[in-house]
Amino acid sequence: EAGVVQSPRYKIIEKKQPVAFWCNPISGHNTLYWYRQNLGQGPELLIRYENEEAVDDSQLPKDRFSAERLKGVDSTLKIQPAELGDSAVYLCASSPRTSGSSAQFFGPGTRLTVL
Amino acid sequence: GESVGLHLPTLSVQEGDNSIINCAYSNSASDYFIWYKQESGKGPQFIIDIRSNMDKRQGQRVTVLLNKTVKHLSLQIAATQPGDSAVYFCAENTGTASKLTFGTGTRLQVTL
Repeated sequence: EAGVVQSPRYKIIEKKQPVAFWCNPISGHNTLYWYRQNLGQGPELLIRYENEEAVDDSQLPKDRFSAERLKGVDSTLKIQPAELGDSAVYLCASSPRTSGSSAQFFGPGTRLTVL
Repeated sequence: GESVGLHLPTLSVQEGDNSIINCAYSNSASDYFIWYKQESGKGPQFIIDIRSNMDKRQGQRVTVLLNKTVKHLSLQIAATQPGDSAVYFCAENTGTASKLTFGTGTRLQVTL
């Protein structure tokens, strides 16, 4: 079974430029998450989708970050404009359940460097 | 979870020995816990999980112990191998929100 797929794996941009990350979750997983992981720290949730609905975006900096999951499968996370402090690894995860507690499975992440 | 920045707690063990990685969680209402392994340049990899109605669960070479009284979680790795070298995170989930909160990672170094 294929895992969570993310692209690109690495991205280097100058500040104020836009950037987008793409995620394809594990087949059949209805719940999709975007996390940000700073160096030496654990992942922190940005947004959670159940099917195509964003059910928790309370930690998403909405002035510059946006996300979509139009058909309830793939998702895109965008930053516009990027700032130096956005340098981090952006992780996508998916889980099979839409309610209750279940394991989340992570992709390899996109390492963003903002210069 | 708490952050220690670049200075992760480190556990150094010899190959073949058993490892015990500890985690203190914050919310007494948390009902589901997961241990993840993260190697350099990779995403967190699911190792084992446990629900709050259990106090022990075993997998292949790994055992998770849960002590709800003191809000403590531990991961035991038997016969530690060089491939076990990584950063290990515990994560807790509270209620039905499916929102994981990650603890401070621990770096496991396996020496030959």
